[in-house]
Amino acid sequence: SAVISQKPSRDICQRGTSLTIQCQVDSQVTMMFWYRQQPGQSLTLIATANQGSEATYESGFVIDKFPISRPNLTFSTLTVSNMSPEDSSIYLCSVDEVGDGYTFGSGTRLTVV
Amino acid sequence: SQQGEEDPQALSIQEGENATMNCSYKTSINNLQWYRQNSGRGLVHLILIRSNEREKHSGRLRVTLDTSKKSSSLLITASRAADTASYFCATDGDDYKLSFGAGTTVTVRA
Repeated sequence: SAVISQKPSRDICQRGTSLTIQCQVDSQVTMMFWYRQQPGQSLTLIATANQGSEATYESGFVIDKFPISRPNLTFSTLTVSNMSPEDSSIYLCSVDEVGDGYTFGSGTRLTVV
Repeated sequence: SQQGEEDPQALSIQEGENATMNCSYKTSINNLQWYRQNSGRGLVHLILIRSNEREKHSGRLRVTLDTSKKSSSLLITASRAADTASYFCATDGDDYKLSFGAGTTVTVRA
């Protein structure tokens, strides 16, 4: 199965600033997915990132707030822009193992103060 | 969007006992998956059961799926302290997106 390296693992950021989260996969994958997990909650899909096209955002998430890059088939970034304390969450990327579940990055625990 | 509901929300058991958690969902699925999350870290895929399967085993894990009732259960037998974690079901439909349940927090007491 794929191995995902996600960075940073955690960060504490000032409100109004931005943080970019990176995910590197050790194999080429068509789609990468970005999730948010708010404190004590389940995972919510933010967007699907395809190489060579704009990301597809789920209801309630917009590109201005969560811009995503997908420059090649092994890498993607998610930026959390103009942060507020409500953005404090764990952010995770994942890839589809095609019939064998999904592999997730280790997560980025973001605290906005 | 979340379509899975899980119960119980929390479960505390003694080491060696079995733990059972249930998941219900609302729409048709291609498969249903179970994941484990330790202390807010990344999710680990445990087992996938396809919509045409009724039961599946993997080590100490047993998963059942009843598509007529839109429900699934995960049984962990002979629990260990290392099984302490949050467990999530997730459904995979035609849009290739996972929808997660609310999760069950399992605590295994030594």
